[in-house]
Formats: sequence, C-alpha cells, structure tokens
Amino acid sequence: EPEVTQTPSHQVTQMGQEVILRCVPISNHLYFYWYRQILGQKVEFLVSFYNNEISEKSEIFDDQFSVERPDGSNFTLKIRSTKLEDSAMYFCASRGGGSGYTFGSGTRLTVV
Amino acid sequence: GQQVMQIPQYQHVQEGEDFTTYCNSSTTLSNIQWYKQRPGGHPVFLIQLVKSGEVKKQKRLTFQFGEAKKNSSLHITATQTTDVGTYFCAGHSGGYQKVTFGIGTKLQVIP
Repeated sequence: EPEVTQTPSHQVTQMGQEVILRCVPISNHLYFYWYRQILGQKVEFLVSFYNNEISEKSEIFDDQFSVERPDGSNFTLKIRSTKLEDSAMYFCASRGGGSGYTFGSGTRLTVV
Repeated sequence: GQQVMQIPQYQHVQEGEDFTTYCNSSTTLSNIQWYKQRPGGHPVFLIQLVKSGEVKKQKRLTFQFGEAKKNSSLHITATQTTDVGTYFCAGHSGGYQKVTFGIGTKLQVIP
C-alpha cells in the first residue's frame, strides 16, 4: 500500500536554528498538507499545498514557516528560527481527488 | 472559522462494552472523515461520509452523518483491546480545503 514517507523521525534543534522537515507524498496525489500535534493534543492544520502553491494556511503558519515542493516528489516544511513552542510532532499528509488523507509517520521536533 | 467539537475527550470501557464518540461542526460540511491514532502513532484514515443521513459500517464500527451534515458519530460494538487509541473526526468543506480535526476521543479498553 502506498505510503507517505517523512524524514527524519526525530529532530532535536537549538532554539533559533533553522530546521527542514522532509516528506515524500504518494506519487499520484494532488493535495499536500502539513499538520502538527503537540503532545496529547489535537491535530492542528498548518498549511495546504495544491498546484505548486499554498492554497490555505493557518495563523500558526507565520513568516517563520515556509513550504516547498522542489523537485516534484519531495515536500518540505522549513522553520527559519525555531522557538520552544514549535516542539511538536509534525505530520505530512497527502490525498488524491476525493479520498481521505494519508498521513506520514511524523517527525518529532524537539526545540531545546 | 470552522470549528469541530468532539465529545467525550476520554472514555474508559470494559472489554465487550460499546463505545460512542460524537462530533459536531459549527458549519455545514461537504464530508466528514474519521481517523484512528494509536498511542505513539499517526492518524490513520478510517472512513469518509458524504451524504446527508449516511450510515456506513466497518465490522464492529458504525459511522453516521447527520441529516444537516453538521454532526456525526462513531459507534463501536463490543470493544476489544485492539480498539485502544484516539478517534478523531475531521470536517471537510470540500475541494482543496483542509480538514479540521476535532480534539479526539481517547478510548481505553480495560481487559
């Protein structure tokens, strides 16, 4: 069964450093998303990406965040200057036309 | 913006008992999706409901979508320890728009 692949599985970074979280969505999917989940809390929307541009973003997705689809297969989330409160599990998801989301296994980001 | 409320937040049941979680959206939905997240895992898509009043079954799981397309429920009959996890509903307004997740119901099944 096709999978969404995320790397790394765990990232520890110093506050103020830049991080890039990587995702390989399912190849024939059209819509791509980043969500995050702070430990024990709900899954929060960050950004959606369709047709090579951001289609929607939440208030969490401020100027410190950016997304790219550099080569037609990878989908990355960059946080320019991490803060302690950015510590969370970050999930990438993709979907085809009318289906539910397929989530990756997530990247646990710890900002120290 | 769209809000999706879900109750209860936690539920402990004895193995064999039934379980229900309820979901309510502040706006009319195009569809509603249900996900299960095992402890330490990622959300896994269970089902999508599209039609008003729709009922779908997956073995012991029954999913309903309200007539007004604003609420939904998931019912598990005769819970098993493998049902442990957090069940999220997620409301979708259609097209390329995001789904908005409810807070989830964490189910514990006591053997």
